[in-house]
Amino acid sequence: GAVVSQHPSWVICKSGTSVKIECRSLDFQATTMFWYRQFPKQSLMLMATSNEGSKATYEQGVEKDKFLINHASLTLSTLTVTSAHPEDSSFYICSADRTDTQYFGPGTRLTVL
Amino acid sequence: GENVEQHPSTLSVQEGDSAVIKCTYSDSASNYFPWYKQELGKGPQLIIDIRSNVGEKKDQRIAVTLNKTAKHFSLHITETQPEDSAVYFCAARSQGAQKLVFGQGTRLTINP
Repeated sequence: GAVVSQHPSWVICKSGTSVKIECRSLDFQATTMFWYRQFPKQSLMLMATSNEGSKATYEQGVEKDKFLINHASLTLSTLTVTSAHPEDSSFYICSADRTDTQYFGPGTRLTVL
Repeated sequence: GENVEQHPSTLSVQEGDSAVIKCTYSDSASNYFPWYKQELGKGPQLIIDIRSNVGEKKDQRIAVTLNKTAKHFSLHITETQPEDSAVYFCAARSQGAQKLVFGQGTRLTINP
C-alpha cells in the first residue's frame, strides 16, 4: 500500500514553455501533498505544501507565480512550471501524506533547453 | 526552525559488515524521525521510522535508535548487501508541523 505515482517521469521542453507534472496517490487519499526539488548529489528541498481544496503554502524563496500548484482532489496534485528556463532543470519529486507518514513518488526529471 | 545534521556524507563498508548513519536535530519538540533510501534516479523510499515515545525500532536488518536527551538518532544496517548501496536521508518533524526537515544525505557503498 501507499503508492504514489508521478507523470511524466521525464520531460524535455523549450525555454519559455510551461510544463505540468502530476502526482497521484493510487491506493489512498491524501489531504496533504508536498513538492520537492532535488539537484544532483544534494538533499531534498521542499518547495511547497499542498492541502486539498486550499491554496498551497510555499517555502521562502519559491516563486508561487512560477511554480503553480493545484490540489483539486484527494488523489491528485499538479505542479506547473510556467515559462520554464534552463535553471529550472531539476528532479521534481512529490510526496503524499498517509496517516502522518510521507510516501514519495518516483520523481520527474525536467530538462529545459 | 528545525535543523537536521547528518553524518557521514559518504560511507563505504565491506559486504556483510554493519553500517551506521547518525543524525542530530535541533528542535526538542520534534517527535517523528523517518529514514529514506534513495536509489539513483528514483524517489526516496521509506525504510523505517520512529516516534519519540520509543527508543529503538527494528525491522529485519535495519534498526533505528533515538536519544531524545541528546537529540540524535541513528540508522543501523547489519549484514550489509550490495543492494543496500544507495543514498540515505534522515528527517525530523516538529510536533504539530506538516513538513519534514531532511538531513544532507549519506551515500552508502557496499563493497563486495
